[in-house]
Amino acid sequence: DAGVTQSPTHLIKTRGQHVTLRCSPISGHKSVSWYQQVLGQGPQFIFQYYEKEERGRGNFPDRFSARQFPNYSSELNVNALLLGDSALYLCASSPVGLLNTGELFFGEGSRLTVL
Amino acid sequence: KQEVTQIPAALSVPEGENLVLNCSFTDSAIYNLQWFRQDPGKGLTSLLLIQSSQREQTSGRLNASLDKSSGRSTLYIAASQPGDSATYLCALHRGSNYKLTFGKGTLLTVNP
Repeated sequence: DAGVTQSPTHLIKTRGQHVTLRCSPISGHKSVSWYQQVLGQGPQFIFQYYEKEERGRGNFPDRFSARQFPNYSSELNVNALLLGDSALYLCASSPVGLLNTGELFFGEGSRLTVL
Repeated sequence: KQEVTQIPAALSVPEGENLVLNCSFTDSAIYNLQWFRQDPGKGLTSLLLIQSSQREQTSGRLNASLDKSSGRSTLYIAASQPGDSATYLCALHRGSNYKLTFGKGTLLTVNP
């Protein structure tokens, strides 16, 4: 079975540009979460979505937005990129309801470099 | 605010040694605790999940324990191998919104 898949794996942008990152959850998982991991730190929670609605938001500016599609895949958008947005962006999926044990499954991440 | 601390930040051991990684947290009202492994530049691989009602979980050479009253979890790795070299992260889940709070991790190096 395919795990959580993310694209692109690496990308380079310049300050002020916009970026879209994509995530496909494990088949049957309806919840998708996004995390930002800067070098040397643990991941920080950005968003959680399920049933196409935002269910949780971390302490990130409004330049960060996300959405979830009917097939449960998700996009993370970041506008007006800053140098400090350079990080590994991780997507995680999990089942909901009775199947939910609270365990999250992560993808390989998208490495964003802002120049 | 939940704080998660992992000690030590880095650890180097010879192959075959048994070792313990530590994770401490400030708020005992947790839903579960999850240990992850991260190879350089890669994503997170889930190792063990401990529910708040459990005290430990085992998978192969790994054993994770949870003591909510003292705000501690440990990850025990038996008979370490060079392939165990990675960063190990613990993460706490408090409620229903799937938000995990991570520590900064412990960088483990197992020398042949």
